[in-house]
Amino acid sequence: GESVGLHLPTLSVQEGDNSIINCAYSNSASDYFIWYKQESGKGPQFIIDIRSNMDKRQGQRVTVLLNKTVKHLSLQIAATQPGDSAVYFCAENPTGDYKLSFGAGTTVTVRA
Amino acid sequence: DAGITQSPRHKVTETGTPVTLRCHQTENHRYMYWYRQDPGHGLRLIHYSYGVKDTDKGEVSDGYSVSRSKTEDFLLTLESATSSQTSVYFCAISTEGEGEKLFFGSGTQLSVL
Repeated sequence: GESVGLHLPTLSVQEGDNSIINCAYSNSASDYFIWYKQESGKGPQFIIDIRSNMDKRQGQRVTVLLNKTVKHLSLQIAATQPGDSAVYFCAENPTGDYKLSFGAGTTVTVRA
Repeated sequence: DAGITQSPRHKVTETGTPVTLRCHQTENHRYMYWYRQDPGHGLRLIHYSYGVKDTDKGEVSDGYSVSRSKTEDFLLTLESATSSQTSVYFCAISTEGEGEKLFFGSGTQLSVL
C-alpha cells in the first residue's frame, strides 16, 4: 500500500499567486523526500528534494518544507505561471534503499 | 530525460498475449526501475534492478517479469497480458551518488483489450 498521500487531488491557482501543495506521509522512518512534476504525456520530472535532517530547502521559485512532527511535506511555488500547470507528486524513501514510494498526486491548474 | 529511451511509446494488444517493453539507457547507470501509473494510484514499483542479472520485486510484481542481460537494457515482460495491466509504464534510473533520486523516461501507454 501507499505510505505517502496528498491532501487535495486538485488545486486551482491564479497566475502570479503562490501555490502550496501538501503531502502527508505515514512512515516516520523515511529519511528522504522528493517532489516531481508531471506534464501531460511526459514522465515525472524532478523538482526538489529534502532529507530528514532539514526542515526547509529552497530552489528556483520552489521551496519544500518538512515537518517531521506531524509527518507533513509541502511544496511552495512562488509566482505561479501557466507552465506550472501539471500533476505534482511527492515521494518518500520508506525503506532506506533505492526505492521511492509515491503519493497519488495533485493536479495544479493555473488560471490566467 | 537522463538518456532513457522507452519503446514502444504506445501499444495495443489483446488479452492473453505476451508483451515486452524495453528501457534503454545510455549512461551506464547501475539502478533501473519499472513503475506503472494508474489514476488515483500515483506510481507503483513493479520491479527494479541493481545490476546485470540482479533484479528484485516491487510492490505490484504479480504478472510481470524482468530481465537485465546488459547494463543499458531493462526489459519488462507481461507473460499473458490482462486488462488490469492497461496502464502507463515508466522506466527510471538512479544515478551514482544521488541514489534515491529517480529520473524517468517518457513512458509507454499500454492498452490490453
